[in-house]
Amino acid sequence: GDSVTQMEGPVTLSEEAFLTINCTYTATGYPSLFWYVQYPGEGLQLLLKATKADDKGSNKGFEATYRKETTSFHLEKGSVQVSDSAVYFCALSAPNTGGFKTIFGAGTRLFVKA
Amino acid sequence: GAVVSQHPSWVICKSGTSVKIECRSLDFQATTMFWYRQFPKQSLMLMATSNEGSKATYEQGVEKDKFLINHASLTLSTLTVTSAHPEDSSFYICSASPGTGAFAGIAKNIQYFGAGTRLSVL
Repeated sequence: GDSVTQMEGPVTLSEEAFLTINCTYTATGYPSLFWYVQYPGEGLQLLLKATKADDKGSNKGFEATYRKETTSFHLEKGSVQVSDSAVYFCALSAPNTGGFKTIFGAGTRLFVKA
Repeated sequence: GAVVSQHPSWVICKSGTSVKIECRSLDFQATTMFWYRQFPKQSLMLMATSNEGSKATYEQGVEKDKFLINHASLTLSTLTVTSAHPEDSSFYICSASPGTGAFAGIAKNIQYFGAGTRLSVL
């Protein structure tokens, strides 16, 4: 079945460091890919998305490119801030009977130190 | 825009009582709503998918008589945890997907999440 695998955390970085969180997926067909972010005690927020191969999603300095050949959607940010500390979930969305189904990765916790 | 409100944010109840959690889409019509359960430091586990006006579709292993889901309107879905026990203590999160309207044009398979409800059963 469809699945999402993302790198285990926690990831601890100093402010202004470069961030990469790896995400790979398996899916039949052509899923849409997402990154969601969850701040402590809150629900998830959509960070960025890509709906087809070679699309690049970007938001708030974060980027991820839909790579069909490597089935990957790695999240990157050039310079992280303390406020980026959160849990990041990679997800795919694929058609399902009567609608669609979203599969989430296990989440990667990011700590950014001042 | 695309705000989902979930209430209450935190509830403590005695074992054996029932708890109702509401999920509302405030500025769009949600043809589909999802209910998730999240254990500490883990990912979201989909419990059920509900479409307005029809019965919810539960994931394997989720007791439908224990977790009652009602999606009575295009802006409201409720999850009732019946006869709650300490093992039901968890973080419950709802999400909504717009089927029509302004937000549907973005990508109809995007989910907008509520802030979650932390349930503690004593």
